Amino acid sequence: GQQVQQSPASLVLQEGENAELQCNFSTSLNSMQWFYQRPGGSLVSLFYNPSGTKHSGRLTSTTVIKERRSSLHISSSQTTDSGTYLCALEPPGFASALTFGSGTKVIPCLP
Amino acid sequence: GGIITQTPKFLIGQEGQKLTLKCQQNFNHDTMYWYRQDSGKGLRLIYYSITENDLQKGDLSEGYDASREKKSSFSLTVTSAQKNEMAVFLCASSPTINQDTQYFGPGTRLLVL
Repeated sequence: GQQVQQSPASLVLQEGENAELQCNFSTSLNSMQWFYQRPGGSLVSLFYNPSGTKHSGRLTSTTVIKERRSSLHISSSQTTDSGTYLCALEPPGFASALTFGSGTKVIPCLP
Repeated sequence: GGIITQTPKFLIGQEGQKLTLKCQQNFNHDTMYWYRQDSGKGLRLIYYSITENDLQKGDLSEGYDASREKKSSFSLTVTSAQKNEMAVFLCASSPTINQDTQYFGPGTRLLVL
């Protein structure tokens, strides 16, 4: 089965709202990585988070290994937050590349 | 800082054609990757390379070849393009295979007529 399950698949956000994106994983890992992809653009690495909580501006990443989950929290969302967010699991051991979730598409709710 | 460049930016091919995508990085990273992104499916790993002249198959290697003749470059060949295929191919690099952030190029958009 899928090693990394990401939810929700899409999310409509009003400006100023908070949102939480989830990744659940079924295997052991070295770390979770979160990426942001602008519509039609490159991937930008947001967090490299082996465990615990990390903050960057309005974004917070929390990885809880024993619960096999990692989350990305967006606070006070802005229209510029729209795009696709991807989580990726880094397996343990040597020479193993990232396994990606299917992504969460964040769509702005226009007035 | 460094940069990853991918060429071409857009690639339109014919069914059955062999198509080559190129990637260059000036980070001096050891490891490079090729991913394919289809709508709603996230990224899937095609090939990766731990060092110059090394090749490792990913989950989606069938139908592709790869080449890492220099540390700074990693090319991907679609051996026989499939009709109506449409995807984005992303190249990435990282200092080593593990415990390092991956840096991504802008992508090559493929359309097969």
